[in-house]
Amino acid sequence: DSGVTQTPKHLITATGQRVTLRCSPRSGDLSVYWYQQSLDQGLQFLIQYYNGEERAKGNILERFSAQQFPDLHSELNLSSLELGDSALYFCASSTPWAGGEETQYFGPGTRLLVL
Amino acid sequence: AQSVSQHNHHVILSEAASLELGCNYSYGGTVNLFWYVQYPGQHLQLLLKYFSGDPLVKGIKGFEAEFIKSKFSFNLRKPSVQWSDTAEYFCAVNAGYGGATNKLIFGTGTLLAVQP
Repeated sequence: DSGVTQTPKHLITATGQRVTLRCSPRSGDLSVYWYQQSLDQGLQFLIQYYNGEERAKGNILERFSAQQFPDLHSELNLSSLELGDSALYFCASSTPWAGGEETQYFGPGTRLLVL
Repeated sequence: AQSVSQHNHHVILSEAASLELGCNYSYGGTVNLFWYVQYPGQHLQLLLKYFSGDPLVKGIKGFEAEFIKSKFSFNLRKPSVQWSDTAEYFCAVNAGYGGATNKLIFGTGTLLAVQP
């Protein structure tokens, strides 16, 4: 158990819908990263938040957004869903920035199926 | 842009065989290197990591990896695999100190099947 929690574990929805994925980082971690794992794209970085502020963006679609709340949990919002958005979405958290030696610990993931 | 290559996509071994999974990265600066394992239906777990110092790093479950800077490689090894090592293995890199973010760049993964 990494200490990172994600809900829900599974999500089945229809095209055009909107969903929210939730991530609670390990105690004390200020950074939250979101990754998407799909068969065709592999594991790809989506977005990072650090202490409530967006730190970096990767291959994140405009239909997707995220935020980190004062209690440091994060939510990833996916809207206007398409079949191709079906994937496993992981979040990871890490200890505060410390000379670059930062290890990310991953949550169990949310498996999204868009029908 | 940074990239990570894992040359072996599928590896099949018998129990007690030795394992070496290749990982090469492209980035000219300081890097941090990681190997993660994903057991069937589970999340990514950290096997080992390299930040600096001794280029031979030991991880959990008898795994080790060697960082060879001149070859931009970070190969994963295990002298004797077990059936329970059946999983997918991911090599990852980040820019380390000085980068704006420590986002991880992952390789495509190597699926290891160990036959009993």
